[in-house]
Amino acid sequence: GQQLNQSPQSMFIQEGEDVSMNCTSSSIFNTWLWYKQDPGEGPVLLIALYKAGELTSNGRLTAQFGITRKDSFLNISASIPSDVGIYFCAGQGDDKIIFGKGTRLHILP
Amino acid sequence: DAGITQSPRHKVTETGTPVTLRCHQTENHRYMYWYRQDPGHGLRLIHYSYGVKDTDKGEVSDGYSVSRSKTEDFLLTLESATSSQTSVYFCAISAENYGYTFGSGTRLTVV
Repeated sequence: GQQLNQSPQSMFIQEGEDVSMNCTSSSIFNTWLWYKQDPGEGPVLLIALYKAGELTSNGRLTAQFGITRKDSFLNISASIPSDVGIYFCAGQGDDKIIFGKGTRLHILP
Repeated sequence: DAGITQSPRHKVTETGTPVTLRCHQTENHRYMYWYRQDPGHGLRLIHYSYGVKDTDKGEVSDGYSVSRSKTEDFLLTLESATSSQTSVYFCAISAENYGYTFGSGTRLTVV
């Protein structure tokens, strides 16, 4: 079946640093989505990408839909403590959405 | 808020007992999904529904059944709970082919 490879699995960074994470797949997707999950809550949609090559920003977050339609990345600039959480990528083809296993972001004091 | 609620939020049950989790939405969305989240596995689809009485299996459907008798409610049933079903369960809803909105989850412990 379709699988997404999300990396890194976890990150430890200092407050103020930039963050980059990505997802790759052997399958082509029509839509790429990035979610964030806070402790004890469900994932919340951050950014949705609908076209190959599309670059979209949401505040300090920037995500891109890869040209090959098989990958996407998410950047967070100038990280702050509330950025802590698990970030999931998700790809959608013609049917259901497939999720990556998540990147757990830790911010060191 | 997105208008999706899950109940209960927490449950502890004994092995072999039946358990039903409820997902309720007020958005009138067509699609509803049940996922489980486990360390190292991310979110895995159990079952989904694309309309009243229309359901289908996901990648980890064994041991689970679902029902959707009304647009707003999607029930997940563990007929005979096992310890391997200890997990956090998330319901999600979506309009036609757009990103999902998730509930806050149900933490189920099978002892």
